[in-house]
Amino acid sequence: IAGITQAPTSQILAAGRRMTLRCTQDMRHNAMYWYRQDLGLGLRLIHYSNTAGTTGKGEVPDGYSVSRANTDDFPLTLASAVPSQTSVYFCASSDRLGSADTQYFGPGTRLTVL
Amino acid sequence: GQNIDQPTEMTATEGAIVQINCTYQTSGFNGLFWYQQHAGEAPTFLSYNVLDGLEEKGRFSSFLSRSKGYSYLLLKELQMKDSASYLCAVEDSNYQLIWGAGTKLIIKP
Repeated sequence: IAGITQAPTSQILAAGRRMTLRCTQDMRHNAMYWYRQDLGLGLRLIHYSNTAGTTGKGEVPDGYSVSRANTDDFPLTLASAVPSQTSVYFCASSDRLGSADTQYFGPGTRLTVL
Repeated sequence: GQNIDQPTEMTATEGAIVQINCTYQTSGFNGLFWYQQHAGEAPTFLSYNVLDGLEEKGRFSSFLSRSKGYSYLLLKELQMKDSASYLCAVEDSNYQLIWGAGTKLIIKP
């Protein structure tokens, strides 16, 4: 693995179903992020983690949860999916939270909720 | 509220120069980033400015004026592969990136 991987690449999901998007990085970065990207809008931060064992809420956290059991993995869970959660989801990581560190992005997961 | 403004779309000719503007109003300022995003792909880092002035990196340059809340990305000697969206983002006082919606750049031969 080099960089950040996300799975699945795409998914069609029935409303009300539970879904976990996976994210793994091998750069030993401390900080990780989940964004959603919708047409006509900028990337919006859902949740972040500045180190293993800690997480924080971003701009649009409702309906999503995250965990950070170790440095490498940062899964995003939709407990009960709704159509408004149809989006492209990007996971990112950086050496540290803030300090103007460059964020590196995974390839994204395209999620459609019907 | 926090706001990042960029033009939605721009068109330029191969070999020419294009300037993509970004204005921002944020809670605090810890630096401004430019990212490139090709269609269907992830954003990739282009440049970072924290002090006023011009940062040059090959064919790409980025300028910042903190007093005006303004930045631009300058692309020279445009190539077809430069067709992409260019995203402006500001790190605010909470150390979070606030993103513009992006400028889609179309390069014509």
